[in-house]
Formats: sequence, structure tokens, C-alpha cells
Amino acid sequence: GAVVSQHPSWVICKSGTSVKIECRSLDFQATTMFWYRQFPKQSLMLMATSNEGSKATYEQGVEKDKFLINHASLTLSTLTVTSAHPEDSSFYICSAIGLAAGVDTQYFGPGTRLTVL
Amino acid sequence: AQKITQTQPGMFVQEKEAVTLDCTYDTSDPSYGLFWYKQPSSGEMIFLIYQGSYDQQNATEGRYSLNFQKARKSANLVISASQLGDSAMYFCAMTGSSGYSTLTFGKGTMLLVSP
Repeated sequence: GAVVSQHPSWVICKSGTSVKIECRSLDFQATTMFWYRQFPKQSLMLMATSNEGSKATYEQGVEKDKFLINHASLTLSTLTVTSAHPEDSSFYICSAIGLAAGVDTQYFGPGTRLTVL
Repeated sequence: AQKITQTQPGMFVQEKEAVTLDCTYDTSDPSYGLFWYKQPSSGEMIFLIYQGSYDQQNATEGRYSLNFQKARKSANLVISASQLGDSAMYFCAMTGSSGYSTLTFGKGTMLLVSP
């Protein structure tokens, strides 16, 4: 199956600093990647759709200037949480579209747990 | 708009028994896909099985099968011969006819397998 990696797997930072999370498709090219946020014991909430070579499409209620997304290559998308605050603490998961039995399927990274002090 | 409903917050099953996790959906799209993902405590979302709305047969992948009843708009996941490693959160999700395979997730069902 398709493999997606994320780095770092967990990060602790001080309030007001920026944090960059990388999402890579390791064995396939992904023109489209997705960024999700998940709070404890809740489902995944789609934040944005990242398209290679163009601007990301953000979901309603997600601040574009707060969560900067860059999809500079077919295998890498980054999410930067700018001026992080404790309420940004969450589990961030990316996914990339690969093929499973001829069907576009989202393959997920292992997630990044962000804690803002 | 699409909606996925998982009515079971938690399920218990004994090892080696079969278990069914419920999922109902609502959509106005004529063509859609249904997915099940497993999320263990490590957090990674693991793709399990896919069912297309026009597929005539129910999907199967090893111990996983999808009981697709289109008229009832249900897509229940059946896990046969449960194993301790099956303990995890399970999410039902669907895509519509939009081009980028955007997923709509249900709230999930926590499955606990006991020895």
C-alpha cells in the first residue's frame, strides 16, 4: 500500500512560536494532499486541501493566515502553525491520494501531536 | 451535503467472535464511495476497505467485509474472528462525485476485543 510519513511525530512549543509539520508521500506522487485536525475522542476535521503548485483550499472557519500550507512538490506538503497558542494543541494528520484497486483512496500519515504551552 | 452516522460509541467483543460496526449515510450524489478506516491508539489512520455505490458485490478484504445495503443507505463493517489487535477506533467515511475525493467522516466507534 501507499506510505505517507509525517514529521515530527510530536512537538512541544511555547506560545507565540511557529511550528512546521511535514507530510510526505514516500512511494507515490500526490498532486492532492489533505490536512486534518483531531481533538481527543473526536472524529477528524478537514482543515484544508493542498494542491501541488497552487494555493490550498481551506474549509470554512479555518484561518488561512494561522495555518499556512505549502505543497511545493508532488511528494511534500507542509503545514505551518503560526504564532501557536494553547488552543492550537491538537493531533494533526495529513493524507495523500493514492490508488487502491483502481480507486482514489486517502492514505494517512501517522499524525503529529502538537502541544503548545 | 453528505453525512455519515455511526450510532455505536463503543462495542465489546470477545476474541475469535465476529462483530458488526454500524454505519449509515446520507447523500444526494448519484455516485459515491464508502470507506472504513481503523485508528489504533498510536493515531495512524489505516485504510481497511472500500465499497463503490455501483458495485454489485459487497467488498471483502481478508477478515473485513462490508455489508452494503444501498436502499437502506447502510454500509456496516463486519470483522470476523476478532483479534486483540483489532481493538481500536473505527471510522466510516464517504466521498461524493467531487473530483478530489474529499472524505466525510462519522464520529467513530471504539471497539474493544477481550481475551
